[in-house]
Amino acid sequence: KAGVTQTPRYLIKTRGQQVTLSCSPISGHRSVSWYQQTPGQGLQFLFEYFSETQRNKGNFPGRFSGRQFSNSRSEMNVSTLELGDSALYLCASSSQLGQNTGELFFGEGSRLTVL
Amino acid sequence: GQQVMQIPQYQHVQEGEDFTTYCNSSTTLSNIQWYKQRPGGHPVFLIQLVKSGEVKKQKRLTFQFGEAKKNSSLHITATQTTDVGTYFCAGLYYGGSQGNLIFGKGTKLSVKP
Repeated sequence: KAGVTQTPRYLIKTRGQQVTLSCSPISGHRSVSWYQQTPGQGLQFLFEYFSETQRNKGNFPGRFSGRQFSNSRSEMNVSTLELGDSALYLCASSSQLGQNTGELFFGEGSRLTVL
Repeated sequence: GQQVMQIPQYQHVQEGEDFTTYCNSSTTLSNIQWYKQRPGGHPVFLIQLVKSGEVKKQKRLTFQFGEAKKNSSLHITATQTTDVGTYFCAGLYYGGSQGNLIFGKGTKLSVKP
């Protein structure tokens, strides 16, 4: 069974640009969550999607957005990039809704560097 | 907002020594999960604790969930170099009908051979 796939793995952008990251969950998983990981802040929750609907959202500005497609694949977008957006963005899929008791399966992450 | 405090932030041990990381929440958790992230890797699920006072073991790893379901610990006996990585706890809170999984900031373990 293939794991969670994230693309691209690495990318470099400049301030003001926008970026789109993609996540393909484990086959059969309908819940996809996104996390931002930085050395100082640990894992911070961005949002969660289930069946194409955003079910939960973390405390991030509106520049961070996401969506989920009918095949459960998800994308997140960050517009007007700032230096502080440099981070590892992790996608996690789960077979259960709303981060309920199911474990999260993380992808390898997309490492974004903003110059 | 809800927070899960995890200590220590860093722990350096000699191979063979024991290691413990602690997580604390100010409010009652529905359950708690533990993850391990190897250097350069992604978090990998270790275990989930649900019941008050629950204790689970995985070989040299012992996980505990407090009686009040507000704290948890992970203890590794006789560390090995393969234990190197960052250990995260993640507490599940329910606000209304919506669950929120909040991660601690992790404890980074280094093991000197």
